[in-house]
Amino acid sequence: QQQVKQSPQSLIVQKGGISIINCAYENTAFDYFPWYQQFPGKGPALLIAIRPDVSEKKEGRFTISFNKSAKQFSLHIMDSQPGDSATYFCAASIRGTSYGKLTFGQGTILTVHP
Amino acid sequence: DVKVTQSSRYLVKRTGEKVFLECVQDMDHENMFWYRQDPGLGLRLIYFSYDVKMKEKGDIPEGYSVSREKKERFSLILESASTNQTSMYLCASSPKGGLRISEKTYEQYFGPGTRLTVT
Repeated sequence: QQQVKQSPQSLIVQKGGISIINCAYENTAFDYFPWYQQFPGKGPALLIAIRPDVSEKKEGRFTISFNKSAKQFSLHIMDSQPGDSATYFCAASIRGTSYGKLTFGQGTILTVHP
Repeated sequence: DVKVTQSSRYLVKRTGEKVFLECVQDMDHENMFWYRQDPGLGLRLIYFSYDVKMKEKGDIPEGYSVSREKKERFSLILESASTNQTSMYLCASSPKGGLRISEKTYEQYFGPGTRLTVT
């Protein structure tokens, strides 16, 4: 049972364009939504995260948009650069536990062409 | 900087062999996790541990076991490797949370992964 569904599976964007990756979740108990970035040969690393009490969070060129009623959230990468080429994972967690378990989406392979 | 290391980057084993994957973290984290990463399936949690000698099953524990004898070390064991266990295995750690937890609790720090091939 995939509790977090991510799309698209792969994405090709030209340099300077906007990359958009979408995620939808089912469990309404989720209350923390991070995005992880993974470069080839490396483990994933936290990129940006949002809590459901805000609808948007921006860090540099990266923005998370959150729609609680639709149970969806998305990552927008503005002015995409070749260095952004990586695999991106959305995730969700329930903050009330002490274990910090994350449920990950299927991943999106982003390729930014120069 | 948090550092999570995994014993091997690449491993080739034969069907039926017992396989040990080792993970060590240097940040005194209470929580440790084992995932497998497969194309189109994302990261799936196999087991996690929230303290020494404590473990809980994740979403896909079948065919795997774990051991945590020391806080910094978490081992994944494939008792009898099968070809469907060919995958990338990722270890992660995170600090303990609680009622007054910060978002940092949910930042998992990953190792570089072990690509296991079972032939």
